[in-house]
Amino acid sequence: NAGVTQTPKFQVLKTGQSMTLQCAQDMNHNSMYWYRQDPGMGLRLIYYSASEGTTDKGEVPNGYNVSRLNKREFSLRLESAAPSQTSVYFCASSSNRATVTNEKLFFGSGTQLSVL
Amino acid sequence: DAKTTQPNSMESNEEEPVHLPCNHSTISGTDYIHWYRQLPSQGPEYVIHGLTSNVNNRMASLAIAEDRKSSTLILHRATLRDAAVYYCILKTGTYKYIFGTGTRLKVLA
Repeated sequence: NAGVTQTPKFQVLKTGQSMTLQCAQDMNHNSMYWYRQDPGMGLRLIYYSASEGTTDKGEVPNGYNVSRLNKREFSLRLESAAPSQTSVYFCASSSNRATVTNEKLFFGSGTQLSVL
Repeated sequence: DAKTTQPNSMESNEEEPVHLPCNHSTISGTDYIHWYRQLPSQGPEYVIHGLTSNVNNRMASLAIAEDRKSSTLILHRATLRDAAVYYCILKTGTYKYIFGTGTRLKVLA
């Protein structure tokens, strides 16, 4: 059972470099999310995609762009990486069907990103 | 925005019950209370959620105060595998999950 798959697991960038974090889910979920986790700060929402073809900003979107490529895939791009973007990045998905109240998030295992 | 407040850390002895508290005094009437836990080097995983009534599942119980301004996650018999960071989260609307800073639970053998 793959669930939510993130690649890569680890990445080191130099300031100013760009990269894309990939996320794919195989649960036919409608909604997908990107979070970052910094020490002592819990998880903060960067962007989310309520459904295929839509994306919206979360709490901390500056410096990031996203693409909902299809229902399965949701990528996060850093155009010009900065040391402040050193963090652990988590992708998540949920079905978010309007008729169901017990929706929950399913998370990937994370990407540890260091920007030097 | 509504927020949650949790103790930074707690300890429990193995095989004993654990009560993890969470304050959410600014909760709105339609906000769901979710609990997730994060094991070392993993993404968070769902534990339980509720709206107004107490909830039980195979992992835990959730006790929600009558005024909904606080809740308690109850692990009935802590095991070493329950050592994790437990997050109390408010789900506001369809897509917004507001994470707190979590409680690190240490289980002593």
